[in-house]
Amino acid sequence: DTGVSQNPRHKITKRGQNVTFRCDPISEHNRLYWYRQTLGQGPEFLTYFQNEAQLEKSRLLSDRFSAERPKGSFSTLEIQRTEQGDSAMYLCASSLVANEQFFGPGTRLTVL
Amino acid sequence: GESVGLHLPTLSVQEGDNSIINCAYSNSASDYFIWYKQESGKGPQFIIDIRSNMDKRQGQRVTVLLNKTVKHLSLQIAATQPGDSAVYFCAENDSGNTPLVFGKGTRLSVIA
Repeated sequence: DTGVSQNPRHKITKRGQNVTFRCDPISEHNRLYWYRQTLGQGPEFLTYFQNEAQLEKSRLLSDRFSAERPKGSFSTLEIQRTEQGDSAMYLCASSLVANEQFFGPGTRLTVL
Repeated sequence: GESVGLHLPTLSVQEGDNSIINCAYSNSASDYFIWYKQESGKGPQFIIDIRSNMDKRQGQRVTVLLNKTVKHLSLQIAATQPGDSAVYFCAENDSGNTPLVFGKGTRLSVIA
């Protein structure tokens, strides 16, 4: 257990529905990252925050995706109008600036 | 685009033998490298990291070697145990300040 928690661990939804995932980072970590991982691949960067500021978004993050970290602590990732191609493991990681990133267990999304 | 990749997708070793997992990177600006271990259904687990001002770093049963001349990174696991069976990813970024770029991963299978 790295100290990063994610909820839910599994989510099954129908195409077109909205889903929201939550990440609680290690408490003193000011950086929080979201990655997506598909089977057999390494994690791919989606977006990251330093405190409450969203500093960078990947081209992978379409306009159906939105992430927030309102108080600089936990973060949420919402996917609107889900598509089957959104099925993946969504991973959250946290770090202190310029240090190793610690990952949570992930939320596995299945879009039917 | 620039990416981090792996030479061998699968590796099988006898219990007690040493394992070597290799990784090539192409981004010459990268100066921070990490190895992660990922077990099935779990998030990546930090193993060891190295910065570009070093060419070797040792941890408990693990050693990371960095050859900046040929942009090559390796992870050595001494006395491999069944619990080491997992997928191993190398990842890199710029000074630890940017999102990690992951390779595809190498599956390590330990034969008892």
